[in-house]
Amino acid sequence: QKEVEQDPGPLSVPEGAIVSLNCTYSNSAFQYFMWYRQYSRKGPELLMYTYSSGNKEDGRFTAQVDKSSKYISLFIRDSQPSDSATYLCAMDDAGGTSYGKLTFGQGTILTVHP
Amino acid sequence: DVKVTQSSRYLVKRTGEKVFLECVQDMDHENMFWYRQDPGLGLRLIYFSYDVKMKEKGDIPEGYSVSREKKERFSLILESASTNQTSMYLCASLSWGYNEQFFGPGTRLTVL
Repeated sequence: QKEVEQDPGPLSVPEGAIVSLNCTYSNSAFQYFMWYRQYSRKGPELLMYTYSSGNKEDGRFTAQVDKSSKYISLFIRDSQPSDSATYLCAMDDAGGTSYGKLTFGQGTILTVHP
Repeated sequence: DVKVTQSSRYLVKRTGEKVFLECVQDMDHENMFWYRQDPGLGLRLIYFSYDVKMKEKGDIPEGYSVSREKKERFSLILESASTNQTSMYLCASLSWGYNEQFFGPGTRLTVL
């Protein structure tokens, strides 16, 4: 079993839809939870970052972490064609020897069509 | 503007060739990482380095080696390229005490 499982998609939605992207994980030591966005032919860029359980909102994006269920989500409201990208969840146990290593999910390809 | 650059965007090599992938960051970051990205598998860590001349194996180091002679430069070496090393290779860097990794644009390597 992979440490981080992400719904692979692909996901295709109409413009304006609410998008839900999800990851589950098995390592209870994970403390930091991130979402990276990767446009075609580019490297990933950090989109959202949360520490421990709870919600964090940034514009149309909301990151949600439920440590009791080992489940994280990214919600995109009023999705736009410019949101079309691959979304990767990533996690860090922040241990003394982790050196910032991240464990990534498989990535979900999202297409928002006009 | 922070920047991680990779020496090539696209590379085609023959089986058995020695391949060098170069990564340079201009942010004075201590930690650097090499990943490969394959469809359905996400990003998998090959090697990382937390200081000059220091390196640690990641999850899939077999068939690869790395070199970090200067803080800003981290090289990935495929000693004898094989077709199963055809992939997208991504380099990233990170500063101590922070959690955001900054990625380069990637090198798409094809081994024939």
